[in-house]
Amino acid sequence: NAGVMQNPRHLVRRRGQEARLRCSPMKGHSHVYWYRQLPEEGLKFMVYLQKENIIDESGMPKERFSAEFPKEGPSILRIQQVVRGDSAAYFCASSPLPNTGELFFGEGSRLTVL
Amino acid sequence: DQQVKQNSPSLSVQEGRISILNCDYTNSMFDYFLWYKKYPAEGPTFLISISSIKDKNEDGRFTVFLNKSAKHLSLHIVPSQPGDSAVYFCAASSNTGNQFYFGTGTSLTVIP
Repeated sequence: NAGVMQNPRHLVRRRGQEARLRCSPMKGHSHVYWYRQLPEEGLKFMVYLQKENIIDESGMPKERFSAEFPKEGPSILRIQQVVRGDSAAYFCASSPLPNTGELFFGEGSRLTVL
Repeated sequence: DQQVKQNSPSLSVQEGRISILNCDYTNSMFDYFLWYKKYPAEGPTFLISISSIKDKNEDGRFTVFLNKSAKHLSLHIVPSQPGDSAVYFCAASSNTGNQFYFGTGTSLTVIP
């Protein structure tokens, strides 16, 4: 049973470009969470999705960031017009149940904005 | 608004001794708590959890203690091993919310 798969592992973008980060949850998991870890900081919640629905996006910046989890395919975190402050590690986690039970994390996608 | 706090950014312990990592929270609605371990360039991995109906949960060398009145939990590792050197995050959630709230992490170094 494959774990949570994230790609790309490393992504370099110039300011103003778009970044797309993909996450395939564990088989059977329909709950996906995105977290961001800035240098020297902890994991900050961004968004929680179930299949085709955004349940909670309270941690996501209002502009330039969007997330989706379509019926088919991976969850995608999209950052438009990236700025240097977006440089961070972005972790996806999945869970078979909401709130109770552990989160299974991917290895993260490290975004560097030049 | 940091609802889960780990006030010690780092901890060094001699191999074979006990490691105690602490975590405080502010939201009394939290009813489920977890500890994660993270190596550099990897994602966090689940270590141990505890529900608010318990005050202790043990799994091998790892024990988590929960003090609800103090809104405090701790992770004990006995005996500590060099392979335990990692960053440890505590996390909390409530069944009425949608998030897992993470602390800022404690970097544990176990000295051989």
